[in-house]
Order: sequence, then C-alpha cells, then structure tokens
Amino acid sequence: KNEVEQSPQNLTAQEGEFITINCSYSVGISALHWLQQHPGGGIVSLFMLSSGKKKHGRLIATINIQEKHSSLHITASHPRDSAVYICAVGNNFNKFYFGSGTKLNVKP
Amino acid sequence: SQTIHQWPATLVQPVGSPLSLECTVEGTSNPNLYWYRQAAGRGLQLLFYSVGIGQISSEVPQNLSASRPQDRQFILSSKKLLLSDSGFYLCAWSVLDRRNFGPGTRLLVL
Repeated sequence: KNEVEQSPQNLTAQEGEFITINCSYSVGISALHWLQQHPGGGIVSLFMLSSGKKKHGRLIATINIQEKHSSLHITASHPRDSAVYICAVGNNFNKFYFGSGTKLNVKP
Repeated sequence: SQTIHQWPATLVQPVGSPLSLECTVEGTSNPNLYWYRQAAGRGLQLLFYSVGIGQISSEVPQNLSASRPQDRQFILSSKKLLLSDSGFYLCAWSVLDRRNFGPGTRLLVL
C-alpha cells in the first residue's frame, strides 16, 4: 500500500467547474505539500499545510490531521489549470512520500 | 529570492555513455539539496540528498552517483548509462520550511 493515495487519477472538467482533488496518507507528518507539474515537467509548490486551510487565488487547500486527509480545490477552473497535481507528505523534505498524481484536463 | 537552475533541459544519450547533470541554487546559503527521478508514468523517487558540501546520502542503489563540490552546486553522474535511467530528473532545495524544485532535465537513453 502506498503511503500517499490520491484520487482521482484522471479528471476532465469543463471550464468554470469547481474541482476537488483528494489526498489520504498513512504516515505521521509535520507538513503536506500540494505540487503542480505542467506538461513540460517543471514542478511548482502550490501550498504547504500543517493544519487548517490555505487560499491562494482560485486555489484552496485543506487538511484534516486527525483523518489524515487533504483536499485541493480549484474554483472557476480554466484550461491553464490543466496539469498534474501531486500531493506530498513528510516529516522533513528528504523523507517525503509522493502521491502518484492527478492529471487534470480542463476543456474550454 | 531563491532560484534553482538545472542543465541541460533535455538530453539524449546512448547506452553505456557517461552522464553529468548539474544543479545550482542562488539566493540562499547552506541549503539541503535533492535529486529526484520521475520515470514515465511514475511518481517522484528520491535518489540522493545532501545537507552540506561533500555530504551525500543515497536512497536507492543504482548506477548513479551524486557530488556536492560547492555549497550551492549539486551534480548527478553516471559512468555508464542504462536504458532504465531514462526519465525526468528534478533537483530541489530546502532551507528550514522553504523549498522548491528546479525546472528538470529530461533524459532519454537509447
């Protein structure tokens, strides 16, 4: 069993839809990261969470430490949001566990 | 602000040839540095990490090696590439609770 499970693996949405990507983990953590990987391969760190909720523009990330679960929401989705979204957890960066990613395709 | 550079961006190499990928960081001192590999359709796998000059920890046995000759320079090498070494190689840095990834190098071994 993977330490980090993401769902769904693939997601297709119409522009403007509200999108939710889920992440469950089985290890003890001090922080959870949501990463965005575009088709060229480059990875950008979107959020680092240790509790509660964070918002950046149209992106919202929540985490429930007791349930070991996090969600990434995208409001008013746009084709430029199309990317692979990766959940990563760890006690420190060099012992991170990565989810397999959710491939999002937003159609105009 | 911190910047991380990787080169080359893309590389096609024959089996058995040597490899050298370089990663440099600007705007920070004494970062932890990391090499990750992402094979096609797979998640990210930590290959090496370094907490200081000359200090390298290997996470998985393989024909790759890493070196850190300077504080902000991290090099991934191989003496003889295998077909299975193809993939996307990402360098990353962290300082306290700040971290980010480099642009990556796409390696194809033929």
